[in-house]
Amino acid sequence: QVQLQESGPGQVKPSETLSLTCTVSGGSIRSYYWTWIRQPAGKGLEWIGRTYASGSSNYNPSLESRVTMAVDTSKNQLSLKLSSVTAADTAVYYCARGRASYSLFFDLWGQGTLVTVSS
Amino acid sequence: QSALTQPPSASGTPGQRVTISCSGSTSNIGRNTVNWYRHHPGTAPKLLIYSDNQRPSGVPDRFSASKSGTSASLAISGLQSEDEADYYCATWDDSLNGLFGGGTKLTVL
Repeated sequence: QVQLQESGPGQVKPSETLSLTCTVSGGSIRSYYWTWIRQPAGKGLEWIGRTYASGSSNYNPSLESRVTMAVDTSKNQLSLKLSSVTAADTAVYYCARGRASYSLFFDLWGQGTLVTVSS
Repeated sequence: QSALTQPPSASGTPGQRVTISCSGSTSNIGRNTVNWYRHHPGTAPKLLIYSDNQRPSGVPDRFSASKSGTSASLAISGLQSEDEADYYCATWDDSLNGLFGGGTKLTVL
């Protein structure tokens, strides 16, 4: 059974870089579109971006200048880096497995990890 | 403000049928498939519908969905208490951006 688990610091200082890892267990990280999604408290889901094992990525235009995603096939992990964070980046961050190219068809999600931006 | 518009709330009594709408535009719903998720706060969102109207295995047939033009809708029949949750439509946009609707909070009265 494939499972996803997000990990990383629960608190990040303003202006610093948020770094999260999603570990894929029980299956291969290849051949899927790996996506990061977040949900600020009291708000809806927001697509951050996606990356493929080949290295190609697409990012939300509103975050593109600050986001980097990558896949490490040797560790079966994907990563998210979000630079110059502010309080507005405080959210629960999810990783999800995408099944189709131009679609938000996610069949598997991690449980999510809360990241608070605060000094 | 999301490019996909959902009603902020919906409600129904046990056993009833409720529908949730999702309105977009040509560049998103009009040209790409729609997916629906149920989200109980504090848990991972769950895929209910993919590719406009397909149910993953394990999702009961009381969940159905349709799409017409630039709008989509999710229908839940035989409403149960466990259906009380937030529901999101989601689709791709031709601007190479993923979109979620603003979410609909479903209350089972």
